[in-house]
Amino acid sequence: QQQVKQSPQSLIVQKGGISIINCAYENTAFDYFPWYQQFPGKGPALLIAIRPDVSEKKEGRFTISFNKSAKQFSLHIMDSQPGDSATYFCAASTRSNDYKLSFGAGTTVTVRA
Amino acid sequence: DAGVTQSPTHLIKTRGQQVTLRCSPKSGHDTVSWYQQALGQGPQFIFQYYEEEERQRGNFPDRFSGHQFPNYSSELNVNALLLGDSALYLCASSLPGNVAFFGQGTRLTVV
Repeated sequence: QQQVKQSPQSLIVQKGGISIINCAYENTAFDYFPWYQQFPGKGPALLIAIRPDVSEKKEGRFTISFNKSAKQFSLHIMDSQPGDSATYFCAASTRSNDYKLSFGAGTTVTVRA
Repeated sequence: DAGVTQSPTHLIKTRGQQVTLRCSPKSGHDTVSWYQQALGQGPQFIFQYYEEEERQRGNFPDRFSGHQFPNYSSELNVNALLLGDSALYLCASSLPGNVAFFGQGTRLTVV
């Protein structure tokens, strides 16, 4: 049973455009929501993370929006660049569960120059 | 400062064999978690080690076992390999309650 559902499975965006990836969860005990970026042949790298006490977090061109009541969160990549082409995973965990990560299925982003 | 290092990077095993994968955590990290990532899927939690004890376990059979050494490095062992065990195996290290850093993974192919 997948605890975190991610969409879309893939997306193509033009250079300079906005990429938007959505995730939904069921377990209301989740209190940590990271996003990971993975390039082919590499392990996932932490991109940005948010806790449910804030509704938005921005780091450079990457923004997480969090809707606690809807149990949804999303990643926005502004001014997308070809170097952003990668697979992005949302995840969720709980402090009480020693931050065992439950991952979404991933979104492959392709940025066309 | 070296990050999380895993060895080997690739290996091929025959169905029914046993395999051992190794992980050295990021300097200063004492918690090691293992994940299995099938092709085109998100990583799935296998288990987590802290103070040489298995602290948590995901939904994986007993064929999957592990160990953590006093220097915090860790091994993942898989017995009686099945074709379905073919995957990228990821090690992640952290301090308790902190963000996990992943290694580059070990690509296991079972033939």
